[in-house]
Amino acid sequence: AQSVSQHNHHVILSEAASLELGCNYSYGGTVNLFWYVQYPGQHLQLLLKYFSGDPLVKGIKGFEAEFIKSKFSFNLRKPSVQWSDTAEYFCAVRPMSNTDKLIFGTGTRLQVFP
Amino acid sequence: NAGVTQTPKFQVLKTGQSMTLQCAQDMNHNSMYWYRQDPGMGLRLIYYSASEGTTDKGEVPNGYNVSRLNKREFSLRLESAAPSQTSVYFCASSSPGQGKETQYFGPGTRLLVL
Repeated sequence: AQSVSQHNHHVILSEAASLELGCNYSYGGTVNLFWYVQYPGQHLQLLLKYFSGDPLVKGIKGFEAEFIKSKFSFNLRKPSVQWSDTAEYFCAVRPMSNTDKLIFGTGTRLQVFP
Repeated sequence: NAGVTQTPKFQVLKTGQSMTLQCAQDMNHNSMYWYRQDPGMGLRLIYYSASEGTTDKGEVPNGYNVSRLNKREFSLRLESAAPSQTSVYFCASSSPGQGKETQYFGPGTRLLVL
């Protein structure tokens, strides 16, 4: 079955630390890839997305993600986190064979301390 | 442009009661979705509608019904609520794009079934 794995369930960092959140998916065909962020008490907002082209994608608020096809990965990175980045982060994959289906990972909770 | 709106924001039901969650979007999107979010499980698709007049089951449809009233509105109905349906429900709509669709989410409805 198609699935998305986010192995880091809970990450705790100090401000200015670098961040990398892992995302791996199991699907052999062409995919679109997304990272969403959910701030406390709020709805999901799109951080960035990959459809094709340059595998290094830049999103809002200084986030970026790299698609490595050979590793079935789409890891999220930020060089220097801020307290305001405290949130839950979801990776999502859409197989191009079924563009109505968006498969979410279980999420990574990030806490940033001043 | 309000995006995706949901009502109510919060609801408490007793087991066996029924209710309808409302969702509307003003972005002229064709596709709309209902998800539930549970701790440690990410978002799971309940139902979706690829266009006005069509609906399809997602990953967890049991206990729910949906209606795509028109292009703007997509409602989710619980006929006989159960404690297992305690969750946060998110509606989303998807921009068209021939393989580059992006889902945008509403603020969510928190449902507690006693």
